[in-house]
Amino acid sequence: AQSVTQLDSQVPVFEEAPVELRCNYSSSVSVYLFWYVQYPNQGLQLLLKYLSGSTLVKGINGFEAEFNKSQTSFHLRKPSVHISDTAEYFCAVSETKKIIFGKGTRLHILP
Amino acid sequence: NAGVTQTPKFQVLKTGQSMTLQCAQDMNHEYMSWYRQDPGMGLRLIHYSVGAGITDQGEVPNGYNVSRSTTEDFPLRLLSAAPSQTSVYFCASSYSLALSGNTIYFGEGSWLTVV
Repeated sequence: AQSVTQLDSQVPVFEEAPVELRCNYSSSVSVYLFWYVQYPNQGLQLLLKYLSGSTLVKGINGFEAEFNKSQTSFHLRKPSVHISDTAEYFCAVSETKKIIFGKGTRLHILP
Repeated sequence: NAGVTQTPKFQVLKTGQSMTLQCAQDMNHEYMSWYRQDPGMGLRLIHYSVGAGITDQGEVPNGYNVSRSTTEDFPLRLLSAAPSQTSVYFCASSYSLALSGNTIYFGEGSWLTVV
C-alpha cells in the first residue's frame, strides 16, 4: 500500500526567508504526487502535482516541488515566504481509487 | 459554477442522535469521497464512490453510511453519533474514475461536535 510521510508537523520561518517542507512516499508502482494547501477555516486546494516528465514542478503562489525517485521524496519549496503563506500543507499520493494524504505541515510565518 | 457544496457548515449533536451531511457537486465528476480531519491525523478517508450506485469503504468507515443515487450527490450519514465523531468533515470530488493524477476538489468543510 502507498503511504506518505511529512517529516515536520510544524515549520516556523521568518518572512521573506526560504522554506522547504519535506515529504517522503512509499510506493511500488508509478506514482502521482500532489501538494495541497489549507488556509484557516477553508477546504484544501491544489498547489501543484507531479504526473510525469520534468522532475521540477511549479505551482501557484511561487511554490515548486522536486520529485526524486531514488530518495522517494517530493519536497515543497518557496524561495521567499509571505505572511499570506500561513497555512497547513498536505502532501498526497494517488492510487487508482483514492488519494492518501500525509498528516500535514503547519507553516508559521514569523514577522 | 459552485464546485463542491457541503451543508451544514456547523452542527452540534447529542450522543446517539443521527444526522446527514450533504454534499453536492456540479462538475459532473464520477468520483466523490468523504474525509475527516482531526488534529495531528491529517485527512482520513471515510467512504468513496466511483459512480452512481457504487460506494466503497475507506480507512475509517465505522459509524458512517453513504449512498450515491445520483452523480451529483453523496450524503454521509452518522447513524448514532458518538463524541469520537467530533471532527471536521470534507467532501471531495474528481473527474476521472481512474483518479490517478486528477485533481481532487474539496468542499469548505462541515464542523461537527458531538456532546
